[in-house]
Amino acid sequence: SQTIHQWPATLVQPVGSPLSLECTVEGTSNPNLYWYRQAAGRGLQLLFYSVGIGQISSEVPQNLSASRPQDRQFILSSKKLLLSDSGFYLCAWSPTWTGGGTDTQYFGPGTRLTVL
Amino acid sequence: GDSVTQMEGPVTLSEEAFLTINCTYTATGYPSLFWYVQYPGEGLQLLLKATKADDKGSNKGFEATYRKETTSFHLEKGSVQVSDSAVYFCALRATGRRALTFGSGTRLQVQP
Repeated sequence: SQTIHQWPATLVQPVGSPLSLECTVEGTSNPNLYWYRQAAGRGLQLLFYSVGIGQISSEVPQNLSASRPQDRQFILSSKKLLLSDSGFYLCAWSPTWTGGGTDTQYFGPGTRLTVL
Repeated sequence: GDSVTQMEGPVTLSEEAFLTINCTYTATGYPSLFWYVQYPGEGLQLLLKATKADDKGSNKGFEATYRKETTSFHLEKGSVQVSDSAVYFCALRATGRRALTFGSGTRLQVQP
């Protein structure tokens, strides 16, 4: 069966510090990978998605970036954190894109980031 | 653009009460519809889904029917338990789109 891991689970960082959040998926090959952010009391916003190694698409402009150095590894980064970057970051995966609407996305446990 | 509207919470119910959480959507074509649940401190779990009109998704006693004519996907459960306390998200995936569009979530609190 497939599993998705995220770490760290919780992170408190000062404004202006760098960020690196990691997500890995086990039990599947060539998954589509996603980073979402959930701000306090709000829904989820898609930040990035990736259909393969080195292929990253950004949904919203921001000071975050994403990378996919390996097939089942997805990293979210920032060079300098802002207060507004605080939130709950969720990684998700779905099976290889087939163009249909039935593919389900499966979420990791999330990382709660607080920027002070 | 695509959007999902959920009823605002929190919804507070007594154990064994009937639950309805309303969800309506706006999207072109024929989106797939999902309900996800988020328990305190955890990530999202898929609860159920429906991929075409009149489909009924069901899981763990929860049900939702894809109503194309009213663009709705309301979540229902006949008898809630304390363990159902969580935040529930309605989401859609538009035809040809990779990303999910989420509603803002509805917090459910079930009291013993």
